[in-house]
Amino acid sequence: SAVISQKPSRDICQRGTSLTIQCQVDSQVTMMFWYRQQPGQSLTLIATANQGSEATYESGFVIDKFPISRPNLTFSTLTVSNMSPEDSSIYLCSVSFKRLFLNTDTQYFGPGTRLTVL
Amino acid sequence: KNEVEQSPQNLTAQEGEFITINCSYSVGISALHWLQQHPGGGIVSLFMLSSGKKKHGRLIATINIQEKHSSLHITASHPRDSAVYICAVNQGAQKLVFGQGTRLTINP
Repeated sequence: SAVISQKPSRDICQRGTSLTIQCQVDSQVTMMFWYRQQPGQSLTLIATANQGSEATYESGFVIDKFPISRPNLTFSTLTVSNMSPEDSSIYLCSVSFKRLFLNTDTQYFGPGTRLTVL
Repeated sequence: KNEVEQSPQNLTAQEGEFITINCSYSVGISALHWLQQHPGGGIVSLFMLSSGKKKHGRLIATINIQEKHSSLHITASHPRDSAVYICAVNQGAQKLVFGQGTRLTINP
């Protein structure tokens, strides 16, 4: 299994500022993902964090708004830039790796960061 | 129409009742996940299925690939089972598509 921690767990921010969310995994993983869950909505994939290269963004999400770093196989950051109240969401880090002896991928989620933008 | 549909959206039951949550999907998948989200926001993976049935404690998950349908059952439900249950499907490359979630409330 994988243990994932996120910092901060929650924050209240002012419009126009930026917040960087950290995701730390206790083991090396190939795939790391960042999701957003707006109030009352389902989860939406923002991007796949690629180690050593630029993140792969989903439609509707851009690097200028959500810059992502992934300096190694256990750590990633997501920055929410120039925030507006519409960015108020839970942001979740997720990792995926193949289980040994099984040909299946297992996905694990972090505890989430609850962001409120005033 | 969403690619992943869950029903019901909300479910309230008494402690001890047998609970069923349904998930239908319209796309080809490599696996289906059932997830549990508590009020704090964190998500726990309950099951990953590609066929058949899995059981873990009081939780049972089934999938019918031909009918593109999965169910999550909770036996002898308890107030601590109260959470949002989310169905998600893998469409390759580990990308997940999520259902809207089912909010379950178990009253003592």
